[in-house]
Amino acid sequence: DAKTTQPNSMESNEEEPVHLPCNHSTISGTDYIHWYRQLPSQGPEYVIHGLTSNVNNRMASLAIAEDRKSSTLILHRATLRDAAVYYCILRDEGLSNSGYALNFGKGTSLLVTP
Amino acid sequence: NAGVTQTPKFRVLKTGQSMTLLCAQDMNHEYMYWYRQDPGMGLRLIHYSVGEGTTAKGEVPDGYNVSRLKKQNFLLGLESAAPSQTSVYFCASSLAVGHLMNTEAFFGQGTRLTVV
Repeated sequence: DAKTTQPNSMESNEEEPVHLPCNHSTISGTDYIHWYRQLPSQGPEYVIHGLTSNVNNRMASLAIAEDRKSSTLILHRATLRDAAVYYCILRDEGLSNSGYALNFGKGTSLLVTP
Repeated sequence: NAGVTQTPKFRVLKTGQSMTLLCAQDMNHEYMYWYRQDPGMGLRLIHYSVGEGTTAKGEVPDGYNVSRLKKQNFLLGLESAAPSQTSVYFCASSLAVGHLMNTEAFFGQGTRLTVV
C-alpha cells in the first residue's frame, strides 16, 4: 500500500485557519486521498476525500497538489472541538485489497488553544 | 438512525476466558471491519467482511475469529484471551466501493477490553 507521511503534532489558535499537510509520494492512479479524524475517546469519523481536484464540504477543504504527491486538509476556523488526531489515508479503489479497508498511520495530533 | 453500534462498551477478562464483541449497523452496508487500537497508535485491521457469509484476515488476525451470518452484524470472538489483546476495538462499515453514493466508513464508539 502507498504510504503517507504526516507531522506528529500541530498547534493552532482558536478561530484561526489550520493547514494539515500530508505527503504521499508513491501514490498510484487509483488511490483516493481520504481524511478522517478521531476525537478523544471516540471512533474515527470521516472528514473529506478526493482524487485529483480540490474538494470542499461543510467540515473542511482538501487541496491536492497537481502531481498528487501531497495534499493539505484545511480547517477554515479552528474550534476547540476540532482538537483531534487527523489521519491522511490512501485508499486504492481500483484494487480489492483487504476489502478496501482504511490503513491508518499515527496521524497528526492537532491541539487547539483558546 | 443508530449507525454502528458496538456491544459491550467496556469489559475486563481474565487470561484464558473467551468473549464475543458484537457490531451492528443499520445502514445496509456491504463492508464491515474490525480494528484494534493500542495507546498512541493508529488503528490496525484484524478481520474484514465484504458481504454476508464472507470474512477474511486483515493485518493482525491471530487470536481472533469472526462471523457474519447476517448482513447487519459482524461478530469478533476471542477464544482464549491474552494480556496482549488488551486494546480498544473499533468496528466500521461502509458501502461497497463503486457504489454511486459516498463510500465513507462509519465507526462505532469502541469497546475497551482489558485482559488481566
